[in-house]
Amino acid sequence: RKEVEQDPGPFNVPEGATVAFNCTYSNSASQSFFWYRQDCRKEPKLLMSVYSSGNEDGRFTAQLNRASQYISLLIRDSKLSDSATYLCVVPSPGNTDKLIFGTGTRLQVFP
Amino acid sequence: NAGVTQTPKFRILKIGQSMTLQCTQDMNHNYMYWYRQDPGMGLKLIYYSVGAGITDKGEVPNGYNVSRSTTEDFPLRLELAAPSQTSVYFCASSYGALQETQYFGPGTRLLVL
Repeated sequence: RKEVEQDPGPFNVPEGATVAFNCTYSNSASQSFFWYRQDCRKEPKLLMSVYSSGNEDGRFTAQLNRASQYISLLIRDSKLSDSATYLCVVPSPGNTDKLIFGTGTRLQVFP
Repeated sequence: NAGVTQTPKFRILKIGQSMTLQCTQDMNHNYMYWYRQDPGMGLKLIYYSVGAGITDKGEVPNGYNVSRSTTEDFPLRLELAAPSQTSVYFCASSYGALQETQYFGPGTRLLVL
């Protein structure tokens, strides 16, 4: 299994839809996980951190499934402004100073 | 706070030329990172630093060098540019490591011809 793996998409959804992305990881010892958002031709920005079972922030919910080694990001009531690439980020195995970034899942919300 | 700033925004190099990508942060962060991002690919770590005077290699360090003489600055040096180094380069910083947000600069787009 790769250190971190994401479905590249694109996920094309209408405004108001609920959409979910999954990300699998290989390091079973990982304790902290992150979702970053990257707009086209821009830098990544932190969306959410996931330290235990999950985290919720408004329309965004991140969940962690340790048994199956995946984290998910759920977006409810999608907005046009949610269109971006969502990067799953996990700690590097064996080196606590580094993070491994997934290749990202692209979301396109249409009117 | 300006956050993380990078210069230049865009540069075209000829094969064999050298250049330095500048990165500065004003958040007093200990950790700084250099990543490259190729089209449709994830971020790959080039080098990182956990504090002034300390640097270490990431996944793809070949063809690059770094230094960290101050907390604020973390320049990335490209020696003998090659077409394979055409990419977008992001600098990032964080106060700590795993539990801390990484703040990214706006990136430098480099084209090597």
